[in-house]
Amino acid sequence: QSVLTQPPSVSVAPGQKVTISCSGGSSNIGNNYVSWYQQLPGAAPKLLIYDNNKRPSGISDRFSGSKSGTSATLGITGLQTGDEADYYCGTWDSSLSTYWVFGGGTKLTVL
Amino acid sequence: QVQLQESGPGLVKPSQTLSLTCTVSGGSISSGSYYWNWIRQPAGKGLEWIGRIYSSGSTNYNPSLKSRVTISVDTSKNHFSLKLSSVTAADTAVYYCARARGGYCSGGNCYSIWVIGSTYYYYMDVWGKGTTVTVSS
Repeated sequence: QSVLTQPPSVSVAPGQKVTISCSGGSSNIGNNYVSWYQQLPGAAPKLLIYDNNKRPSGISDRFSGSKSGTSATLGITGLQTGDEADYYCGTWDSSLSTYWVFGGGTKLTVL
Repeated sequence: QVQLQESGPGLVKPSQTLSLTCTVSGGSISSGSYYWNWIRQPAGKGLEWIGRIYSSGSTNYNPSLKSRVTISVDTSKNHFSLKLSSVTAADTAVYYCARARGGYCSGGNCYSIWVIGSTYYYYMDVWGKGTTVTVSS
């Protein structure tokens, strides 16, 4: 059970838009920056969004990130079959110990 | 362009120590303000952060694994290593190493140093391809 809660799965039609939520608390998302990772089937994770809403070079502007309070959201527009992947949020947790936490992951299916 | 490559035994017996190395190429492990991480992923499950090390040797570990984990760095060989003791079948997973950038933020500015009790920015921007480790007798 992760301290960051993501929906296990979402399904969306091609061309549509989807948002994936990541819910945490004051010791993690509420006080620290969030990053998002895309893991295509059989591949290593890849950085999609950092510092809540910034895209690394080479990442399409179809991907966006936002944060409000103790929740973060990943948005993807113009969905393509190639976007089918697992998506993970992550941030530092500063409760009893200081350590990095990932959300449980969300499997995106593009129908 | 920096690349990471995990290496080590693919099979470890229960109760023994799992040892992996992550070799950094295309850049020096001790240049820049980078942190070097280990993450694992059991088959069909999510990502679990194991811990990290800075080039100075400073470490942080996942509290759930802390009693069994040691991460070390060898700047002369440009690699960092993971040791996980007393392994069980539950430690069977794909193990990834990753480079991270991070630091603290204050007053709207961010700095690439770590100050305990601050607001942190941190993200893993380079990942290895992963190596599968199976714990079985």
